[in-house]
Amino acid sequence: KQEVTQIPAALSVPEGENLVLNCSFTDSAIYNLQWFRQDPGKGLTSLLLIQSSQREQTSGRLNASLDKSSGRSTLYIAASQPGDSATYLCAVRGNDYKLSFGAGTTVTVRA
Amino acid sequence: DTEVTQTPKHLVMGMTNKKSLKCEQHMGHRAMYWYKQKAKKPPELMFVYSYEKLSINESVPSRFSPECPNSSLLNLHLHALQPEDSALYLCASSSISYEQYFGPGTRLTVT
Repeated sequence: KQEVTQIPAALSVPEGENLVLNCSFTDSAIYNLQWFRQDPGKGLTSLLLIQSSQREQTSGRLNASLDKSSGRSTLYIAASQPGDSATYLCAVRGNDYKLSFGAGTTVTVRA
Repeated sequence: DTEVTQTPKHLVMGMTNKKSLKCEQHMGHRAMYWYKQKAKKPPELMFVYSYEKLSINESVPSRFSPECPNSSLLNLHLHALQPEDSALYLCASSSISYEQYFGPGTRLTVT
């Protein structure tokens, strides 16, 4: 069974600092990896999707890397802003339709 | 348009009531999902529909009954729920690249 771990569970940084969020998974036979953002009481917003054949994806201030062989992904958010405060979830998809989620990292960006 | 819509936003129901949750997407996605999310936990998969056929049921109690009337619509019929079923219910759909898009959720309270 795929196990997904996200470290740290919570992170508080001053505005302008770069954020580094880590995700690890136990089974390297993944189809893709997706990073989501969730605001309290809201749905999940897809941030980045990395296919298993890719090493990284970028969108604006966000960059995600994938090292399938070591079972790791990292989400970098440059020049953090208070609006980046949210919970960030990592999810991996195996050879079926199922996503295995990590427990999330709750980020607070202080103004 | 990368939007998944869900109605209602909030629902309060008694344990003897019958109600339904509705989900809609117009992105042409052929896979649709129901998830349950408890506070401060990641989403848990309940059901997957692929090409309007139920392909995955994660051993969900029969008091939850999914329905996929057409490729754009997904319903979740609720009957005789328990207080512990109170949660945020999320609908999602996925593209050919299997990127999942989530709706805003229905906050369900069972009294």
